[in-house]
Amino acid sequence: EVQLLESGGGLVQPGGSLRLSCAASGFTFSNYAMTWVRQAPGKGLEWVSSISAGGFSTYYADSVKGRFTISRDSSKSTLFLQMNSLSAEDTALYYCAKGSSSFGSGSHSDYWGQGTLVTVSS
Amino acid sequence: IQLTQSPSSLSASVGDRVTITCRASQGISNFLAWYQQRPGKAPKVLIYAASTLQSGVPSRFSGSGSGTDFTLTISSLQPEDFATYYCQQLNSFGTFGQGTKLEIK
Repeated sequence: EVQLLESGGGLVQPGGSLRLSCAASGFTFSNYAMTWVRQAPGKGLEWVSSISAGGFSTYYADSVKGRFTISRDSSKSTLFLQMNSLSAEDTALYYCAKGSSSFGSGSHSDYWGQGTLVTVSS
Repeated sequence: IQLTQSPSSLSASVGDRVTITCRASQGISNFLAWYQQRPGKAPKVLIYAASTLQSGVPSRFSGSGSGTDFTLTISSLQPEDFATYYCQQLNSFGTFGQGTKLEIK
């Protein structure tokens, strides 16, 4: 059974940093692209970033480019999202999702975690 | 690439046939997926490649379209189908539509 367990969310001050993790199990992690999607309270889904299976290709939404970094550790079956220069607009539930293929682009998300909440506030 | 869903909200009854539309600002071939999100839950993929039903999803769900215009159809609404639906384009990164909230009439 595919399981994705996000962690690392919490309350952070504007301008601060946070690192999210997503522990994956139930599939061969190194064979699939992975994605972060966020959802602000009461709002819709926003694609944030994707990474190819091998980790060599990464993609970012314009809203986070230059501030967020996606990475993966296949030895630990874990996906990461390093978030810097956070602002109130980054407040959201952050979901980790498994891609349906090895490609970071063009791959829909077939399994999702339950999310970790990030709140940016002073 | 922008995606525009219509309607933004919809009231319907159990047994109704409903259609949700998703329009892309430029052609995306068939790189489109549909997701269902129930309150307090993670999204769940229903359709990918515009018209391919995800394994385990009931056959009352169907998708069609190519290029810029796509539809999600639920042939006979069931109580568990009242949720919010999102389209996502996968031709260039992964933009989502704004969502369509399907409510009980």
